[in-house]
Amino acid sequence: DVKVTQSSRYLVKRTGEKVFLECVQDMDHENMFWYRQDPGLGLRLIYFSYDVKMKEKGDIPEGYSVSREKKERFSLILESASTNQTSMYLCASSLGTENQPQHFGDGTRLSIL
Amino acid sequence: AQSVTQLDSQVPVFEEAPVELRCNYSSSVSVYLFWYVQYPNQGLQLLLKYLSGSTLVKGINGFEAEFNKSQTSFHLRKPSVHISDTAEYFCAVSEMGGGNKLTFGTGTQLKVEL
Repeated sequence: DVKVTQSSRYLVKRTGEKVFLECVQDMDHENMFWYRQDPGLGLRLIYFSYDVKMKEKGDIPEGYSVSREKKERFSLILESASTNQTSMYLCASSLGTENQPQHFGDGTRLSIL
Repeated sequence: AQSVTQLDSQVPVFEEAPVELRCNYSSSVSVYLFWYVQYPNQGLQLLLKYLSGSTLVKGINGFEAEFNKSQTSFHLRKPSVHISDTAEYFCAVSEMGGGNKLTFGTGTQLKVEL
């Protein structure tokens, strides 16, 4: 079974802090994705990556950056956290060939105070 | 760009009753379609997917969905629900040639009652 592990289930940070969310997958997947989930809005894509050191903007990249130095690890960075970034963050991975389903981690519930 | 509409934000149903969760999509190219389920405090789990071929696809936990190209729909059904089916259900679409990027609907909360 594919395992996608997010480093924290719950995280509380302060406005203006630099925040790192970590995601690791153990199935040698090429693609990795970061989403945020908000009530009534579903999941929205922040950033994704098709390969090491590659990154692409999703639908809502403002205020975020990412890093993929190793194939199995994809980090989401909030450069200067703001209260409107309080949300559930979900990481996913998939094989690189087309039509492959994404596999999700359990999520990180981030609160910015 | 593609979009997904799940018109029902909440669907209450009694145990052992049938249920249908509706999903409509919009895209200018051919698509792949997915249904995911999210139990409380967990990530998303794949229920089923339509890639090509037969328009009726069967998934885990007794769920099935039918792809209707003319109506651009991919409704999820289960003939008899159980309390344990209480969860949020997301429909998602990926465009052919789109690199596995998913666009999600806003979700439907299924609440099964005794």
